[in-house]
Amino acid sequence: DGGITQSPKYLFRKEGQNVTLSCEQNLNHDAMYWYRQDPGQGLRLIYYSQIVNDFQKGDIAEGYSVSREKKESFPLTVTSAQKNPTAFYLCASTPRGADTQYFGPGTRLTVL
Amino acid sequence: EDQVTQSPEALRLQEGESSSLNCSYTVSGLRGLFWYRQDPGKGPEFLFTLYSAGEEKEKERLKATLTKKESFLHITAPKPEDSATYLCAVQAGSNSGYALNFGKGTSLLVTP
Repeated sequence: DGGITQSPKYLFRKEGQNVTLSCEQNLNHDAMYWYRQDPGQGLRLIYYSQIVNDFQKGDIAEGYSVSREKKESFPLTVTSAQKNPTAFYLCASTPRGADTQYFGPGTRLTVL
Repeated sequence: EDQVTQSPEALRLQEGESSSLNCSYTVSGLRGLFWYRQDPGKGPEFLFTLYSAGEEKEKERLKATLTKKESFLHITAPKPEDSATYLCAVQAGSNSGYALNFGKGTSLLVTP
């Protein structure tokens, strides 16, 4: 089945620990995005990547890092520098030449 | 700065009671306006893309329309399964790799 997968669905971490969220797609999409969603807020852009080995900061990149070593994968690391990491994290991708972003199922991160 | 405002924040309808959700926007160089549906704890599901004023798109009980300043999502004779949060987003030019700027959403509850 083609699609975007995010793992794990739920993630719990202690304060001060780094954690990596997985995002994989087998749709052959070129661009990939990470958003953060908080209650009562719109989705906010963390990082995006339009091609392999290249990525750009979004509106709220502080405390986060990414890599894009393969077209299919765009992992997000939430570092200990992120002051309020508890949130719902969404990964999206877009085919080349298209505008529509398709979202994965999300990862809910809770920092204790 | 691009802005997207959705209203109302929450809407409760009786089954069969038609209504409209509003998305007003200010953006430099609109590339596209997107509507998504999001169920609790899940990723957004794509509904429509609108590109120019006067454009309309329909899918089952939903119809999206676009003017130069706002978009409406009309829901005709809704059913309980239409209950969800509806998200509006705009895409502007090539800044941020065509990332989406989201509103906060309208939470719709349809009761039997």
